[in-house]
Amino acid sequence: DQQVKQNSPSLSVQEGRISILNCDYTNSMFDYFLWYKKYPAEGPTFLISISSIKDKNEDGRFTVFLNKSAKHLSLHIVPSQPGDSAVYFCAANYGGAQKLVFGQGTRLTINP
Amino acid sequence: NAGVTQTPKFRILKIGQSMTLQCTQDMNHNYMYWYRQDPGMGLKLIYYSVGAGITDKGEVPNGYNVSRSTTEDFPLRLELAAPSQTSVYFCASSYSLVTHYSNEAFFGQGTRLTVV
Repeated sequence: DQQVKQNSPSLSVQEGRISILNCDYTNSMFDYFLWYKKYPAEGPTFLISISSIKDKNEDGRFTVFLNKSAKHLSLHIVPSQPGDSAVYFCAANYGGAQKLVFGQGTRLTINP
Repeated sequence: NAGVTQTPKFRILKIGQSMTLQCTQDMNHNYMYWYRQDPGMGLKLIYYSVGAGITDKGEVPNGYNVSRSTTEDFPLRLELAAPSQTSVYFCASSYSLVTHYSNEAFFGQGTRLTVV
């Protein structure tokens, strides 16, 4: 039972344009969502997060949007840069469980 | 700034062999985790620990054991290696207080394990 789903295995975007990565979840108990970025041969690194009491959180070029009614969140990167090429994981957590549930990941490629 | 350190980085095991994946963190984090990542899949939680002496099962604990005798160390033990345990293993840690509810786990670089 995949509680967190990233339905696009890969995404290719031109440098300077906007990258939009999507994530859907099924567990309505989730109340905290995170995005991680992963380069080859490295561990995931935290990128940005959002609490369920918000619908948007912004950090520089990165913005995460949360639509609770649709159980959907998205990560916007603008403008996209070559260094953004990586695998992006969406993750979710609920009520002090301290156990992140991850999506399958989306490989983002930024083309010059 | 070591963060979370995992050893070894790579290992090939024969079926039925045993090994321990080491993980240590120097951030004084309460929580530590072991995840595995199979090709094309997300990270799945194997075991986690909320502090020294306390461990609990995650989503995929079968075939693994853990212990947490200190805050810093959280080794993962494979007793009888099977091909299904071929994966990349990540150790992570996070800081948890009642007022610090963010779950920004910090990950090690991973151990790539192949069982043949």
